[in-house]
Amino acid sequence: DIQLTQSPSFLSASVGDRVTITCRASQGINSYLAWYQQEPGIAPKLLIYAATTLQSGVPSRFSGSGSGTEFTLTISSLQPEDFATYYCQQLKSYPITFGQGTRLEIK
Amino acid sequence: EVQLVDSGGGLVQPGGSLRLSCAASGFTFSNYYMTWVRQAPGKGLEWVANMNQDGREKNYVDSVKGRFTISRDNAENSLFLQMNSLRAEDTAVYYCARYQIYGSGNYIIFLDYWGQGTLVTVSS
Repeated sequence: DIQLTQSPSFLSASVGDRVTITCRASQGINSYLAWYQQEPGIAPKLLIYAATTLQSGVPSRFSGSGSGTEFTLTISSLQPEDFATYYCQQLKSYPITFGQGTRLEIK
Repeated sequence: EVQLVDSGGGLVQPGGSLRLSCAASGFTFSNYYMTWVRQAPGKGLEWVANMNQDGREKNYVDSVKGRFTISRDNAENSLFLQMNSLRAEDTAVYYCARYQIYGSGNYIIFLDYWGQGTLVTVSS
């Protein structure tokens, strides 16, 4: 199985900050990586797919980069509604797996 | 508007069974792979199973193989998850999601729409 490790697991930041979350895969997954945002009690929302493509309707302050085994999700200027948990997901091979999540909280 | 509505969750004893449903609308259901993802209380996301458009291809996470069965009714625009021999560790919110896959060679794959989730609690 392909393991995804996100870092950090917890991040405290302020409105207006630039933040980066890293997702490392245990083996190469090309660009078969997606990023999701989840608020408590609500279904996940797709942010980025194919490692770098912004889903329609997602603000441009979100961006993704990487290929192979190392990927990043960057939020260029945090807004109040961005404080949530973020997950990466690999879809290269079965079983499909998620990272353990990164909880982003207001400092 | 694409909508997925999950239902069928509840409290069940260990060893029991439950059938989850996902009603789809706003898109041509029969054109899409579909998938189930679960989330145990306070934990992260776990992919459970998916199925292709005609139901011939099914994939499962190892922990549910032989116990869970994914199925669909394209005429009724519905996805199902039959869960048997339930265990305490199956307790979770279960989400259905549309599994978008296109391209050839280098595919583009992601889960773009999700249901609201349905809670399954396995406890005596």
